[in-house]
Amino acid sequence: SQQGEEDPQALSIQEGENATMNCSYKTSINNLQWYRQNSGRGLVHLILIRSNEREKHSGRLRVTLDTSKKSSSLLITASRAADTASYFCAPEPFNNAGNMLTFGGGTRLMVKP
Amino acid sequence: DVKVTQSSRYLVKRTGEKVFLECVQDMDHENMFWYRQDPGLGLRLIYFSYDVKMKEKGDIPEGYSVSREKKERFSLILESASTNQTSMYLCASRGIRVNQPQHFGDGTRLSIL
Repeated sequence: SQQGEEDPQALSIQEGENATMNCSYKTSINNLQWYRQNSGRGLVHLILIRSNEREKHSGRLRVTLDTSKKSSSLLITASRAADTASYFCAPEPFNNAGNMLTFGGGTRLMVKP
Repeated sequence: DVKVTQSSRYLVKRTGEKVFLECVQDMDHENMFWYRQDPGLGLRLIYFSYDVKMKEKGDIPEGYSVSREKKERFSLILESASTNQTSMYLCASRGIRVNQPQHFGDGTRLSIL
């Protein structure tokens, strides 16, 4: 498995602003997934983008994938205080022995009301 | 919806005790995982299982063991708890079809005194 590196490590914005988080990885992937973790809770799956997709939307979430740069971004539009959480990316390589995902340190997002 | 249930949200134990953390999933998933999460270190994989009675070491298996006697249940065992095992423990499950998300429990915050 391989680990994604999220950037920035922390982000603080005002309610209503957009939040952009980035993820970089090293080897070819089958898909890349984004997860959210509220404080003291487990991770919740947000969105999966396949290697042959460039952009995907889900409500206020927009994910892009650039396989040539080995990077992905998660955009949250019109942020709300409830979006305050840590966000993790998980790139899934081809031939993922063990079928496991590896997670980095995440991006801590704070949305101020 | 997939549900992954961890037996305790909070647990306090003493040094040297044998500690059992239980995890149950209701989606007939083949793969189950145990992670620990510490500030600044992200999620680290302890053990995983891809079938009943099968187990594989993750990145940090020392001091832990696991048991998978039934497909829906994956137990993490701290043979002799130590203070450096104070952490947040997260269980997850995943099906084997391509492009599946990983589903997490709510976590167990374990304190070893």
